Amino acid sequence: DGGITQSPKYLFRKEGQNVTLSCEQNLNHDAMYWYRQDPGQGLRLIYYSQIVNDFQKGDIAEGYSVSREKKESFPLTVTSAQKNPTAFYLCATQLGVSTTNEKLFFGSGTQLSVL
Amino acid sequence: AQSVTQPDIHITVSEGASLELRCNYSYGATPYLFWYVQSPGQGLQLLLKYFSGDTLVQGIKGFEAEFKRSQSSFNLRKPSVHWSDAAEYFCAVGGGQAGTALIFGKGTTLSVSS
Repeated sequence: DGGITQSPKYLFRKEGQNVTLSCEQNLNHDAMYWYRQDPGQGLRLIYYSQIVNDFQKGDIAEGYSVSREKKESFPLTVTSAQKNPTAFYLCATQLGVSTTNEKLFFGSGTQLSVL
Repeated sequence: AQSVTQPDIHITVSEGASLELRCNYSYGATPYLFWYVQSPGQGLQLLLKYFSGDTLVQGIKGFEAEFKRSQSSFNLRKPSVHWSDAAEYFCAVGGGQAGTALIFGKGTTLSVSS
């Protein structure tokens, strides 16, 4: 969706390495989400943030970390503790807490692979 | 437990034929329901949503969905499929409460044959 930029499009990680996926939005949305997508598994929630400097774990947070220092940015770090990181990662935004379950806007995703 | 089930992993439909993708949900509160579509290597795009009111909702690209509370279903339909509709389709449910995130089904891949 326009207004959400995920980078890079493709990312390769060496064993034991931490990597960071970028998600930037100019929609002025309060809420931001990270989902992991594996073939045949649908989307699983990793972390989400409703406001700056606050975030919550989703269903599969182990091996991942996030920060929300600015409203526009919600980077995801895949740490060396995540033993099976190969997946398609999607960032999404939502207008705000008061409109929870309003439409989610998605970025175009980052494909992470292990070397 | 809250969940979304899409029983069909893969469906093939002839171009011009009608389509129905199934979605069943389990949710403790009044559900807010969504259908999203994803082209390969891309993000998801919202097709339609149901919050309340008329149980038959219209979406973009000629899609519609019907909410049936008694069957806990929210099936997606299209009268005549076009080759460009080939994609993966996801059903999602949420509760409309602050601090909650959407729960997605595992998706249904639609192929369109000529």
